[in-house]
Amino acid sequence: LAKTTQPISMDSYEGQEVNITCSHNNIATNDYITWYQQFPSQGPRFIIQGYKTKVTNEVASLFIPADRKSSTLSLPRVSLSDTAVYYCLVGDGRGGSYIPTFGRGTSLIVHP
Amino acid sequence: DAGVTQSPTHLIKTRGQQVTLRCSPKSGHDTVSWYQQALGQGPQFIFQYYEEEERQRGNFPDRFSGHQFPNYSSELNVNALLLGDSALYLCASSLGGNSNQPQHFGDGTRLSIL
Repeated sequence: LAKTTQPISMDSYEGQEVNITCSHNNIATNDYITWYQQFPSQGPRFIIQGYKTKVTNEVASLFIPADRKSSTLSLPRVSLSDTAVYYCLVGDGRGGSYIPTFGRGTSLIVHP
Repeated sequence: DAGVTQSPTHLIKTRGQQVTLRCSPKSGHDTVSWYQQALGQGPQFIFQYYEEEERQRGNFPDRFSGHQFPNYSSELNVNALLLGDSALYLCASSLGGNSNQPQHFGDGTRLSIL
């Protein structure tokens, strides 16, 4: 099973860059790596997705090393509104089917 | 552009009862997935519907069943409710049946079992 491992929690301050790393040692060849953000009492929101190397959009960057066994979500200059749970998602790869598998997530708290 | 909508937002049931939750996908999406999220945990995949058929299924018993309609909306049915079924049930939509596509989530139905 393609399990993911993330830090349970992280603390940061406004204006800092935050890097959250996810380990996924058993990622399957066809799997993409997707990160979601979730606020309390809301559904997860898509942040970024990548397959290898580096992907950047207007809110985050995603760094994926060549072996793809980990990935790092980078949030530049965080604000208080970035306080949320962040999930790394990869496929299960079981029997050729894709079972989206969320980890427990990383609870990010941004302090003033 | 309407996002994913779920109904009801909250529901209270008792053990042994049956429940039906509903989901309308984001405009233009044809694939619906359902998740169960217990308090403090990440969402757990229940199943995915595409072209009105169940395409993928997670590790959930047969008490959990679903349906997708021709307009791509979907229902999640849970029979013989247990206390442990209390959770936030999330619906997510995407395009093309490819589970690697980014999913758009609704804000869920909070189900409480007494």
